[in-house]
Amino acid sequence: ETGVTQTPRHLVMGMTNKKSLKCEQHLGHNAMYWYKQSAKKPLELMFVYNFKEQTENNSVPSRFSPECPNSSHLFLHLHTLQPEDSALYLCASSQETPGAIYEQYFGPGTRLTVT
Amino acid sequence: AQSVAQPEDQVNVAEGNPLTVKCTYSVSGNPYLFWYVQYPNRGLQFLLKYITGDNLVKGSYGFEAEFNKSQTSFHLKKPSALVSDSALYFCAVPTHTGRRALTFGSGTRLQVQP
Repeated sequence: ETGVTQTPRHLVMGMTNKKSLKCEQHLGHNAMYWYKQSAKKPLELMFVYNFKEQTENNSVPSRFSPECPNSSHLFLHLHTLQPEDSALYLCASSQETPGAIYEQYFGPGTRLTVT
Repeated sequence: AQSVAQPEDQVNVAEGNPLTVKCTYSVSGNPYLFWYVQYPNRGLQFLLKYITGDNLVKGSYGFEAEFNKSQTSFHLKKPSALVSDSALYFCAVPTHTGRRALTFGSGTRLQVQP
């Protein structure tokens, strides 16, 4: 295990539903990330949080709403999704240190299916 | 923007043979390069990284990668492949110079045949 957990592991939701994905890291890191992995596309960065502040939003539609209440927890709130949003959503964390680049540790992902 | 390219969608190799998974990069400044592996129904696992120093970087599970500045490449290698190495492999670079978020290649599926 990498020290990053994600729940649920699988989620099926209708286009009018509201659901949330949860990520928790047990590594003491101060940066967390959401990535989207679709079948036909490379991994796409969605959001970056550093010390609970959102530092990057990679032009993600507003139907995806992130929340980072503390440096250990990250949520992705979902509402009025489209079928093309079906994908594997991966959470990652890393230690941010000025001037240094550290590897990211990934959770197992949430497989989302939008019907 | 910084980027990496993985020219092969799939690599097939027989068990016990050496394997190479290719990656080329396009970055400004000093390159920071990563390799990750993804097993079925799992998240990505970090294998190794190049920051500076020796051009041959050793990582987890017997993998290593060779940094070649003149060819802008960072190929992943292993002297003797195992069936259990069959997985999806990703090369990555920081999205922007000095940023921590990563831009990934399209991935290469490695299939090791018994």
